[in-house]
Amino acid sequence: DAGVIQSPRHEVTEMGQEVTLRCKPISGHNSLFWYRQTMMRGLELLIYFNNNVPIDDSGMPEDRFSAKMPNASFSTLKIQPSEPRDSAVYFCASSLKASGRVDEQFFGPGTRLTVL
Amino acid sequence: AQSVTQPDIHITVSEGASLELRCNYSYGATPYLFWYVQSPGQGLQLLLKYFSGDTLVQGIKGFEAEFKRSQSSFNLRKPSVHWSDAAEYFCAVAPPGGSNYKLTFGKGTLLTVNP
Repeated sequence: DAGVIQSPRHEVTEMGQEVTLRCKPISGHNSLFWYRQTMMRGLELLIYFNNNVPIDDSGMPEDRFSAKMPNASFSTLKIQPSEPRDSAVYFCASSLKASGRVDEQFFGPGTRLTVL
Repeated sequence: AQSVTQPDIHITVSEGASLELRCNYSYGATPYLFWYVQSPGQGLQLLLKYFSGDTLVQGIKGFEAEFKRSQSSFNLRKPSVHWSDAAEYFCAVAPPGGSNYKLTFGKGTLLTVNP
């Protein structure tokens, strides 16, 4: 079974450029999460989608960050314009949320972003 | 707000030795508790989870964890470590109820295994 797929695996860009990270969740999962991992702050939840609808975006750092989920099999996280402090590993995770169950989140391999 | 503390940033053990990784949490009620493992260049993989019931939970790869309410702890253990266990380990908590998706992670413990 294919797990969560993320692309690209590595991205190097210059300050001010637009960056788009992509995620394909596990087929059949109805919840999707974007996380950011840095040495200073650890793993942080950025945004949570359920059935393609953003439910909780309280972790999105600022307006430069936006996320979309146009359908059940694809999501993007965009940073425009990018800044050096955005350098981090960005993880996508998906889960099957059902009534009475606790989410078990399955993580993708991550995208390592470097902004010069 | 919930928080998770993993007091040990880095632990080194010899192959075959026992292992205990510490995790303490701060939350008003008993949260849902998780341990994840991250191998270099990989995403996180769930080792085990605790929601309620038996306070000793078994996970994959021979790991277990014990929930101790009085100590607000959820320590991870393995009786005999293998070289392939070298990785970073993260404890996480989530609030019970409708926001149980909202994982808060500790900063992680890096495990090195000596031959």
